[in-house]
Amino acid sequence: TQLLEQSPQFLSIQEGENLTVYCNSSSVFSSLQWYRQEPGEGPVLLVTVVTGGEVKKLKRLTFQFGDARKDSSLHITAAQPGDTGLYLCAGSTGGGNKLTFGTGTQLKVEL
Amino acid sequence: SAVISQKPSRDICQRGTSLTIQCQVDSQVTMMFWYRQQPGQSLTLIATANQGSEATYESGFVIDKFPISRPNLTFSTLTVSNMSPEDSSIYLCSVEGPSGLSYEQYFGPGTRLTVT
Repeated sequence: TQLLEQSPQFLSIQEGENLTVYCNSSSVFSSLQWYRQEPGEGPVLLVTVVTGGEVKKLKRLTFQFGDARKDSSLHITAAQPGDTGLYLCAGSTGGGNKLTFGTGTQLKVEL
Repeated sequence: SAVISQKPSRDICQRGTSLTIQCQVDSQVTMMFWYRQQPGQSLTLIATANQGSEATYESGFVIDKFPISRPNLTFSTLTVSNMSPEDSSIYLCSVEGPSGLSYEQYFGPGTRLTVT
């Protein structure tokens, strides 16, 4: 069974602070996605990384895929209240479309 | 990306009854997925539904409890049968991404089910 462990599980910070969320596994993934989910809505895809060592930036969000394609990180610079939500990583092993979702990180950014 | 709607958005049901959740997509897709999620927690895949074939269920989920229909390329239903309070959860459908990026998924808003 493939597991994706996220840390931290909960994070409460002040507006303007930086933060990093980690997504770790013992399995190798052919691709990894990050989603953000707000209450009452489904997860929304933020980014997909497919190459070991790949770094992608989306405004204040920086995503990195580990060299061995077993882990990933999400870094948010100068967090804003609009960043509040549940962040989920999800991995695909290829050869199919099934995703394994991480355990989730609940982020709250306060004024 | 596809626009996905689900009905109902929420429901409160009595134990022993069944509820059918509908998922409608605004474009034709080959693969649709059904997930279960406890609020604030991760998603667990229930089954994968392809048009024209039987749904493929994940370990711990069976067709008698969660029958799925996939009559065409834009629609699917998930039924939660003989419900118990343990079935209280958020049920989400998703579809694969555009051709060539089928490992990405796009989600509906979810159906929040409470079983009393």
